Amino acid sequence: NAGVTQTPKFQVLKTGQSMTLQCAQDMNHEYMSWYRQDPGMGLRLIHYSVGAGITDQGEVPNGYNVSRSTTEDFPLRLLSAAPSQTSVYFCASSPSVAGGTDTQYFGPGTRLTVL
Amino acid sequence: GENVEQHPSTLSVQEGDSAVIKCTYSDSASNYFPWYKQELGKRPQLIIDIRSNVGEKKDQRIAVTLNKTAKHFSLHITETQPEDSAVYFCAAVYGGATNKLIFGTGTLLAVQP
Repeated sequence: NAGVTQTPKFQVLKTGQSMTLQCAQDMNHEYMSWYRQDPGMGLRLIHYSVGAGITDQGEVPNGYNVSRSTTEDFPLRLLSAAPSQTSVYFCASSPSVAGGTDTQYFGPGTRLTVL
Repeated sequence: GENVEQHPSTLSVQEGDSAVIKCTYSDSASNYFPWYKQELGKRPQLIIDIRSNVGEKKDQRIAVTLNKTAKHFSLHITETQPEDSAVYFCAAVYGGATNKLIFGTGTLLAVQP
C-alpha cells in the first residue's frame, strides 16, 4: 500500500491564482481530512469527510473548498490564493467513520507559498 | 469554543532524563486524546492515545495520563534518547462528536546527548 499520497510536494502561487491540492489513499478509509500547519499554530483542521459525497467544515474552512466523489480521493481547492494561505498542508485518513477517534494516517504534506 | 492548550512550547532535557508535556481542553464532552510525534521534515505519526474511560496508559517509555475532572492530560517520556527529539502534538476530539480532532500548538523537545 502507498498509504496517503499528496501532490504536489511544493507549489508557488501568485495572489489570486487558483489551484487544487491532491490527496489520495489506498487503504479504503472512509474518513479523510485536511490540515494546515503554521509555525506556532500547530495543526488546524480545514475540512473533513466521513465518506463519498459527505464533507463538513473544520476550524479554518474559509478560502478552501473540498469535494469527495470517491472513497480514495479528497482534493482541496484554493479558489483565489492569498498570502495568508502560505502553509504546509497535510491530508490524513482514518479507518473509522468516526475518524476523529481513530488513528490519523498523514500524507507527506504539500508546502505552498503564495506571493 | 474548541481549544486545546499545550505547554511548554519548547523543552530541552539531558539524555536519560524524563520529559513531561501538558495539555488542557475546554469541552467536557471530549472522550479521545491522542499524541502525535513529528520529526523534522516528516509527517505526524500517532505514538499513543487514551480514551476517557481510562486514567493512564503506558507503552514502553511513554505514558499518558488523563484527569477528566480538571480537563487536562499529559505525555510522559522516561529515559529520553536523542531520537526522541521532535515536535509533539496533543489533540482532543470535540463536541461529543467523533469527527473533529483539534490539535494543540506543539512542543519542540530537544534531547541533549
